[in-house]
Amino acid sequence: DTEVTQTPKHLVMGMTNKKSLKCEQHMGHRAMYWYKQKAKKPPELMFVYSYEKLSINESVPSRFSPECPNSSLLNLHLHALQPEDSALYLCASSQEVQGAREQYFGPGTRLTVT
Amino acid sequence: GDSVTQMEGPVTLSEEAFLTINCTYTATGYPSLFWYVQYPGEGLQLLLKATKADDKGSNKGFEATYRKETTSFHLEKGSVQVSDSAVYFCALRIFNTDKLIFGTGTRLQVFP
Repeated sequence: DTEVTQTPKHLVMGMTNKKSLKCEQHMGHRAMYWYKQKAKKPPELMFVYSYEKLSINESVPSRFSPECPNSSLLNLHLHALQPEDSALYLCASSQEVQGAREQYFGPGTRLTVT
Repeated sequence: GDSVTQMEGPVTLSEEAFLTINCTYTATGYPSLFWYVQYPGEGLQLLLKATKADDKGSNKGFEATYRKETTSFHLEKGSVQVSDSAVYFCALRIFNTDKLIFGTGTRLQVFP
């Protein structure tokens, strides 16, 4: 089983709202990722957690706040977003430390900021 | 820095035609290479992978060979189906890191 689940599937929020995106994997993977994907573009890496610790932050604005409460769960807290933050937010996970370290993606949360 | 270059799309084919989507890369060290597919409204699915020179990844009739001498990882399929219509992303994992670098994606449209 290589399933990564994400909730909600769709989210509409105002610029003053606070909301959270949730990602879960039950494959025992040691690394989890957040990506942002705009229409007709490839995914852009935002954050990487390895063994529940933040290992990569790609200079993401502080209005995006990641959290990894345990090895199966990854959250992305959203506050004071801008309309240009509207995008598909993808979560991924990977297991291997050696070899390909392939990443498995969830279906995404489509976020609209009004 | 490391990068991936994919052919521009869309690629338009009739059902049962032969498919090639070109992908070349620039990297230091020994990157792992991947093809991902994204169907409309969905996340990315890993299609195939290769970890070293001359490795051939294959899945669902798709194949790609890791060519170090030409720094390429072209995707091929002998006979495409309408259900293969999607966006295909070539990607490399930067050596010794968890970071993936994606190409710009190539849209494939297959008509009956």
